[in-house]
Amino acid sequence: DAKTTQPPSMDCAEGRAANLPCNHSTISGNEYVYWYRQIHSQGPQYIIHGLKNNETNEMASLIITEDRKSSTLILPHATLRDTAVYYCIVRLYGNKLVFGAGTILRVKS
Amino acid sequence: EPEVTQTPSHQVTQMGQEVILRCVPISNHLYFYWYRQILGQKVEFLVSFYNNEISEKSEIFDDQFSVERPDGSNFTLKIRSTKLEDSAMYFCASSSLSGGDTEAFFGQGTRLTVV
Repeated sequence: DAKTTQPPSMDCAEGRAANLPCNHSTISGNEYVYWYRQIHSQGPQYIIHGLKNNETNEMASLIITEDRKSSTLILPHATLRDTAVYYCIVRLYGNKLVFGAGTILRVKS
Repeated sequence: EPEVTQTPSHQVTQMGQEVILRCVPISNHLYFYWYRQILGQKVEFLVSFYNNEISEKSEIFDDQFSVERPDGSNFTLKIRSTKLEDSAMYFCASSSLSGGDTEAFFGQGTRLTVV
């Protein structure tokens, strides 16, 4: 699976949009981009995934660049409960998810 | 909303003892996984399981580990002779399908402490 690069940490003001970047320059054509988050030591929580097109669900939006070498997860109105480690994962056909260090997002009031 | 359930939430065991961690995957899911996270470290893949067989395992998943689906609902991880370094959070996950376009859902984990 392709490696991803994420900033180690980010801060965001409560109520503002949180934009979390991810680079995956070696992604191949049939690999999906997944985002999970982990609050404290709880189980990773699925957020969203996509292949080429931008995706939106009730939690977040995923913007994938046209060349697919990078993506951005957008939490439109961050709350204190969104403070977590966010993982960007590129996943090929197959079962496992390969977690990196992720981005620690701190939402501040 | 369907969820993956893990029991116990916390298990303390003596070094050398056997432990069984239990998971109830989401009911219509067919693919099951175990991951672990040592305190302060990354989430690591251990094993995936489908159709009563291991489909993939990591280097961590050595002969001390085994998985089983003893009935139609439970999925277990057994560690035969625990070591201090097995202390970690263990997460079970399940998905309905394999492949890139299928999300996996995780349980809340079992904290295993080996003393």
